[in-house]
Amino acid sequence: EAGVVQSPRYKIIEKKQPVAFWCNPISGHNTLYWYRQNLGQGPELLIRYENEEAVDDSQLPKDRFSAERLKGVDSTLKIQPAELGDSAVYLCASSLGRGREGLTEAFFGQGTRLTVV
Amino acid sequence: KQEVTQIPAALSVPEGENLVLNCSFTDSAIYNLQWFRQDPGKGLTSLLLIQSSQREQTSGRLNASLDKSSGRSTLYIAASQPGDSATYLCAVENSGYSTLTFGKGTMLLVSP
Repeated sequence: EAGVVQSPRYKIIEKKQPVAFWCNPISGHNTLYWYRQNLGQGPELLIRYENEEAVDDSQLPKDRFSAERLKGVDSTLKIQPAELGDSAVYLCASSLGRGREGLTEAFFGQGTRLTVV
Repeated sequence: KQEVTQIPAALSVPEGENLVLNCSFTDSAIYNLQWFRQDPGKGLTSLLLIQSSQREQTSGRLNASLDKSSGRSTLYIAASQPGDSATYLCAVENSGYSTLTFGKGTMLLVSP
């Protein structure tokens, strides 16, 4: 079974340019997450979806970041315009959702490494 | 706000040693704790998930324990191998938040 698929793997752009990342979660996983990981740090949540609904986007910089999850499957994360400080690895993860004792196991994609120059 | 700390930040051991990685969290009101492995330039691979009602979980040479009241978890790796070299991250899900808060990780190097 395929895991979480992300594309592209790497992206280099100039500041002020737009960029978009794509994620295809594991089939049947209702919950989808976008995380950002800076060098030497743990991932930090940007947004969480339950099916099509963004249920937690409190950490998403809404002035320049946007995300969508059409039909509750694939998701895209966009940055416009990009800034130098946006250079990081952007990780997508998915899970079955909430069980009796909290979230079920989260599975991560390979990530997209963004470099803004 | 939940804070997750992992000690040590880096660890280098010879092959065959048993080792312990530590994770502590400030808010004990958690649903579960998850240990991940991250290879350079790669995403995260889930290793073990411990529900708040559980004390430990085992998978092969890995054993993770959870002491919720004291805010601590340990990941024990038996008979370490060079292939175990990676960064190990722990993450907790807070009750009511439905998100994972990660530590910065422990970078492990196992030398042949």
